[in-house]
Amino acid sequence: QSALTQPASVSGSPGQSITISCTGTSSDVGGYNYVSWYQQHPGKAPKLMIYDVSNRPSGVSNRFSGSKSGNTASLTISGLQAEDEADYYCSSYTSSSTQVFGTGTKVTVL
Amino acid sequence: EVQLVESGGGLVKPGGSLRLSCAASGFTFSSYSMNWVRQAPGKGLEWVSSISSSSSYIYYADSVKGRFTISRDNAKNSLYLQMNSLRAEDTAVYYCARGGVVTAFPFDYWGQGTLVTVSS
Repeated sequence: QSALTQPASVSGSPGQSITISCTGTSSDVGGYNYVSWYQQHPGKAPKLMIYDVSNRPSGVSNRFSGSKSGNTASLTISGLQAEDEADYYCSSYTSSSTQVFGTGTKVTVL
Repeated sequence: EVQLVESGGGLVKPGGSLRLSCAASGFTFSSYSMNWVRQAPGKGLEWVSSISSSSSYIYYADSVKGRFTISRDNAKNSLYLQMNSLRAEDTAVYYCARGGVVTAFPFDYWGQGTLVTVSS
């Protein structure tokens, strides 16, 4: 199972909006509404930010939103803040009943 | 408060074995699927294995199939990963992560990780 494709880096200024893409195939992202997004700060464990494409867990800021079109899922961060600077990973359920992560995106707040 | 605490990591020679443990607390462990996810130094996340609440459904990444075995003891609120025939490419921080009640995902709580280093 190949990793989902994410841009290596995305940057934005405070207050701006950025979008991170996550491209898979019809056997994973495109086939199921089971895409999740995780935020990871250096040296820390990942944190769930979005699940089932567009749902936010309790306690996650509504500045984070998710969507999907075809084989590509997206995470949008609006009103970018310094604390959003981190690595972000998507993940998806697959037709083999396994999970696959994306390659990861480093978000930089300018 | 949900807590997941991994242990058992360390330095092991190629071809060797290691058993990781994850102690869970703060939730009804027997109701949830559990997972192992690893991260090689400076690299991205890689899902390793999942196990359903009653151990009826078990899945592995192709990279570890036949070498790693996931198991759980609901009476002890513990998750395990038996790793055999270890290779240098298995070097990583290993996280245990809670899945869902019905499905093995999403991973809503994570432990702090335990480092496994495979080197001669």
